[in-house]
This record gives sequence, structure tokens and C-alpha cells, in this order.
Amino acid sequence: GENVEQHPSTLSVQEGDSAVIKCTYSDSASNYFPWYKQELGKGPQLIIDIRSNVGEKKDQRIAVTLNKTAKHFSLHITETQPEDSAVYFCAAQWDYKLSFGAGTTVTVRA
Amino acid sequence: EAGVAQSPRYKIIEKRQSVAFWCNPISGHATLYWYQQILGQGPKLLIQFQNNGVVDDSQLPKDRFSAERLKGVDSTLKIQPAKLEDSAVYLCASSFEGDGYTFGSGTRLTVV
Repeated sequence: GENVEQHPSTLSVQEGDSAVIKCTYSDSASNYFPWYKQELGKGPQLIIDIRSNVGEKKDQRIAVTLNKTAKHFSLHITETQPEDSAVYFCAAQWDYKLSFGAGTTVTVRA
Repeated sequence: EAGVAQSPRYKIIEKRQSVAFWCNPISGHATLYWYQQILGQGPKLLIQFQNNGVVDDSQLPKDRFSAERLKGVDSTLKIQPAKLEDSAVYLCASSFEGDGYTFGSGTRLTVV
């Protein structure tokens, strides 16, 4: 099955700085890579996704890059704000099933 | 559109007792998933339904866990008997064409 590794496990940034989270996956057949944000007591919420035929996607302050050759994808958050504090999960999908990374706890310091 | 509804939000039971969780997916979403999220970890797939048929239950501990999806809409997940290690958040998700999952808020189970 698919194995997704995510780093770092915790990330503390100053408000206004950038945050980067990196993930690797094992199954070259994976073709869809979503990122989820999970706040305390809530379910994961999709924030951005990328498909295997695209190298980069941007939505306002967040962007995702994908390197299929290296089986590596990353989430970039620019101009971080206190409301960006949450747990972020990367995931890789194969055969309509998602495998998740272990999560990154992001803390934005005011 | 209404989101994925789950109930109850919290449940505390003693080990060896049974418990059931309910999920109502987004209308029109044919695919429904149950995930288990242990504290500090990412969600782990337990079972996937397509309409009312099981697509993948390879990660479901079938000696104690069972799930059904009647009429291709609502689903229930049951644990009997519960163990301490079943303490987790149980998340239900649905999708229309296999991606862009929408998750519910989950049921937090504590087994004491």
C-alpha cells in the first residue's frame, strides 16, 4: 500500500513569515495529492490539491508543488496569520483511497 | 450544500462494551469512507463503500468492527467488543467521483 511521510511534525513561525511542509510518497501510481487543515475538534478540511499531471498550483497565500520523479510534494503558506495555526495533513490517493501523512502542527506566533 | 453529518460527537464506554457511530454523507455522493484517527496521527482508512457495496475493507479489524451502508446513503460503524486501543476519532467522509473528499466532524470515542 501507499506510505506517506510528512515533515516536520511541528513548525513554529512568526506571523508574516512563510511555512513549508514536505511530504514523500511511495507508490508511483498515486495520482492525486490533497492537503487538509484540521482545527481542534473538527474534521480535516481540504485546502488545496494537485493532480499528477500538474507541477504547481497556487490559491492566494497557499501553493503546492509536486515532483513526480522524486515522489515529493510540498505545501507553502506565505504571509502566515494566526488563523493558519492548525494541524496540516498531506495525502496521496491511489484507486480512490487516501493515505495520510502523520501531520504537521503549525503554530503562528503573533 | 449540507456537509457530512456524524453522530454522536462524543462517546465514552467501558472496554468490552459495544458502540455504534452514524454517518449521513453529502447528498449524491456515491463513495463513503470511514477513517480512524488516533491522537497525534493521520487518519487511517477502515472501509470504503461505493453506493451500498464494500470496495475495500482490508484494514477493518473484522473480529470486532463491522460497517454497513443501507440503500447507498447512511452508514453505521460498530465496534463490539471495544478495546482500550480503539480510543480514537472516527471520521466519515464522502466523495462524488473519488476525490475532493469532504469529512464530517467525527466521533471521539474514549474506551475506559
